[in-house]
Amino acid sequence: DVKVTQSSRYLVKRTGEKVFLECVQDMDHENMFWYRQDPGLGLRLIYFSYDVKMKEKGDIPEGYSVSREKKERFSLILESASTNQTSMYLCASRETGANVLTFGAGSRLTVL
Amino acid sequence: DAKTTQPPSMDCAEGRAANLPCNHSTISGNEYVYWYRQIHSQGPQYIIHGLKNNETNEMASLIITEDRKSSTLILPHATLRDTAVYYCIVRVAFGASYDKVIFGPGTSLSVIP
Repeated sequence: DVKVTQSSRYLVKRTGEKVFLECVQDMDHENMFWYRQDPGLGLRLIYFSYDVKMKEKGDIPEGYSVSREKKERFSLILESASTNQTSMYLCASRETGANVLTFGAGSRLTVL
Repeated sequence: DAKTTQPPSMDCAEGRAANLPCNHSTISGNEYVYWYRQIHSQGPQYIIHGLKNNETNEMASLIITEDRKSSTLILPHATLRDTAVYYCIVRVAFGASYDKVIFGPGTSLSVIP
């Protein structure tokens, strides 16, 4: 089974801190995604990547950046965390030509 | 990708069939219907997908109307563990590698003892 691993399940950070959320998948998938999930809003796409060093903005990229230096790893970066970035962050991967997303367990971030 | 509309919430008695509807009236000929679910505090999980024929797997059945403008996900014997948010997504099956996948708010299903 494909496994998508998010390094931190729960994080608490302070306003202004730089935050790294790490995601690793073990099935050589080309495509990786970062979503955030907030009550009543469903999943909203932040960024996605279809290859190493390639990235595309999703619907809500403001305040975030990403890094994909290796195929298996896709990092989400909050350069200066703000309270409105308190949320559940979900990473997913997908093989090109297939349309099933495999998600990680999520990282719940609280910014104080 | 075609837009989907789902009821925000539904209840179902334990042991009964749960029927979750999804409207996708703007679906185009090469778009599939996908269903995922998300149990509390976990990431979403793929359930099933289909084009125009009804589909069944070990988790659920998917019924797509003949005009393909709506579909129903059926959990034949709902258990408490089926309490989750269910997402219906419509998209091309073999899209370009860089196309994005959009999730709407979904339907929150509560299975009641």
